[in-house]
Amino acid sequence: DAGVTQSPTHLIKTRGQQVTLRCSPKSGHDTVSWYQQALGQGPQFIFQYYEEEERQRGNFPDRFSGHQFPNYSSELNVNALLLGDSALYLCASTSGQQETQYFGPGTRLLVL
Amino acid sequence: EDQVTQSPEALRLQEGESSSLNCSYTVSGLRGLFWYRQDPGKGPEFLFTLYSAGEEKEKERLKATLTKKESFLHITAPKPEDSATYLCAAKAAGNKLTFGGGTRVLVKP
Repeated sequence: DAGVTQSPTHLIKTRGQQVTLRCSPKSGHDTVSWYQQALGQGPQFIFQYYEEEERQRGNFPDRFSGHQFPNYSSELNVNALLLGDSALYLCASTSGQQETQYFGPGTRLLVL
Repeated sequence: EDQVTQSPEALRLQEGESSSLNCSYTVSGLRGLFWYRQDPGKGPEFLFTLYSAGEEKEKERLKATLTKKESFLHITAPKPEDSATYLCAAKAAGNKLTFGGGTRVLVKP
């Protein structure tokens, strides 16, 4: 049973560029959440997608946007990258029947 | 606003030296308290979900407990492979997890 997968594993961008990160949820899960984790800190909630709609959003600017596809996979897009966007980006999945979220390995983004 | 605080920030233990990690939370209408283990550069690995005060769950050398304001993760007779960052998260009404800053545990042989 495949767990949550994310791609790419690492990414280097320069300020002002745009980036797209991808996530495939655990088999049987239909809900995907994205989190940002700065070095040495706990993850911060960005937003959650369910039925291809953004269901809830954390305190992140509009530069952060997302999408969910009919197969439940999801993308996180970040525009106009800033140095402060450097972090580990985590995707977590769950299903409507559960409270527990299961995390993928993350994508390490470095903005130079 | 929902808030989760973990203490201590870091813990150094000798192999076999039991200890406890603390997670204090302030949320309206707790729907679950979660513990995760995170190894360097990897995603959080699910350990436990607790739903109500008085609930306890165990897995190998780890035991999680919950009160109305706090959760504790007890590590009994730890081994070096228990070295990791342990994250606590609370879920209230809505769908997001609010995380604490984590406790970095180092177990020396």
